[in-house]
Amino acid sequence: KAGVTQTPRYLIKTRGQQVTLSCSPISGHRSVSWYQQTPGQGLQFLFEYFSETQRNKGNFPGRFSGRQFSNSRSEMNVSTLELGDSALYLCASSLEFTTDTQYFGPGTRLTVL
Amino acid sequence: GENVEQHPSTLSVQEGDSAVIKCTYSDSASNYFPWYKQELGKRPQLIIDIRSNVGEKKDQRIAVTLNKTAKHFSLHITETQPEDSAVYFCAADYSGGYQKVTFGTGTKLQVIP
Repeated sequence: KAGVTQTPRYLIKTRGQQVTLSCSPISGHRSVSWYQQTPGQGLQFLFEYFSETQRNKGNFPGRFSGRQFSNSRSEMNVSTLELGDSALYLCASSLEFTTDTQYFGPGTRLTVL
Repeated sequence: GENVEQHPSTLSVQEGDSAVIKCTYSDSASNYFPWYKQELGKRPQLIIDIRSNVGEKKDQRIAVTLNKTAKHFSLHITETQPEDSAVYFCAADYSGGYQKVTFGTGTKLQVIP
C-alpha cells in the first residue's frame, strides 16, 4: 500500500496570508490527524477527522481549521498567518482511531516571513 | 487536560549499552501509550506501543513497561546500535477516540560507536 502523502512539501508565505495543506491517507484508513511540530513546543495535536467530521480538536486558535472529504483525504487551512505558525505540519492516518497504529506523512514545512 | 513529561531530553550511550527513556502522564483515563522514533529530517514512526491492560511489551531489542499506579511508562533499548540514534517521543492517548493525544517533549538519543 502507498504510504501517507502530503502536499506541498515546502511552503513559504508572508504574514497575513492563508495556506492550505493536503494529506492523502493510506487506503482504507478513515481517521486523519494533524500535528504541528516545532523545536520549542514539540509535537502538538491540532485535530482529528473521521468520516468527514472533526472528532477532536487541540488547543489551537480558530485560524487553524480543516476538513475531510468522502475519500478520507484531508486538508488543513491556516488563515492570517503569523510568524509563530512556522513549523512542520504532519498528518497521520489510522484505521479508525488515533489509538490504532498511526502512520505519519513526510510533513509540510511551512515558513512564514 | 493530559500532560506528559519525558526525561531525559538528551541521552548519549556507547554502542552495545542499554538506553532508558521515561515518561509520566497525568490523566488516569489515558490507556494507550505509543513510542515514536524520528530520525533527522524524517517522519515519526511507531516503534512500540502498550495498552493499559498490559504491564510490559517487548519487540526484539525494544521493550516498554507501564506502571499505571505511578502513571509512568518507560522505553528500554538494549544492545544499542548507531542506527538507533534519533529523537524518541512518548505519547498518551485514550482509546475511544475522544481525547487529544499528547506527546512528550522528546529525547535525543546518540549512540556512540
